[in-house]
Amino acid sequence: KNEVEQSPQNLTAQEGEFITINCSYSVGISALHWLQQHPGGGIVSLFMLSSGKKKHGRLIATINIQEKHSSLHITASHPRDSAVYICAVRWEGGGADGLTFGKGTHLIIQP
Amino acid sequence: DGGITQSPKYLFRKEGQNVTLSCEQNLNHDAMYWYRQDPGQGLRLIYYSQIVNDFQKGDIAEGYSVSREKKESFPLTVTSAQKNPTAFYLCASSISGESYGYTFGSGTRLTVV
Repeated sequence: KNEVEQSPQNLTAQEGEFITINCSYSVGISALHWLQQHPGGGIVSLFMLSSGKKKHGRLIATINIQEKHSSLHITASHPRDSAVYICAVRWEGGGADGLTFGKGTHLIIQP
Repeated sequence: DGGITQSPKYLFRKEGQNVTLSCEQNLNHDAMYWYRQDPGQGLRLIYYSQIVNDFQKGDIAEGYSVSREKKESFPLTVTSAQKNPTAFYLCASSISGESYGYTFGSGTRLTVV
């Protein structure tokens, strides 16, 4: 079965640190999504990318299609960045059934 | 503002009762999805719908049912046949096609006692 793997599962860091969360997947994709889930449970879409790099504020997402790997970076981390970050992919040639999700990375930024 | 509304946020039901979770979107999105989230696991697809009056089973459809009578609404019924219904349920929508992003609701936490 096609899989999405995230690392680390849990990450605790100090405010201001540079954060990296990794995502790898097993076969070709047409798009990769980075999502943020806050303690209340609602999910916000951060990025959708199929190649290269995207930046929004302090968040940067990169993808290497050949290596089947993506990273989410947070610069100058802040306690409000504490959340679960989820990687999700749409498989290349896949049907209309949406995304396959990683298990998430639980990030805690301490003041 | 456009978005997805899920209600209620918290729901308690007795074992053996059917319960319906609401999902409404005003984004004019064609596709809608229901996912289940359990601790330590990724979201898993229950049902999805690409157009009105049509829907397909996802990976874990047993014990669930849906309808899509209107474009903006995609309610999920958790039936008494679902063996372990306590979970967090998320609804999502997207414009059909691979190039578009997804919008998620805020979720419903169902507890069966």
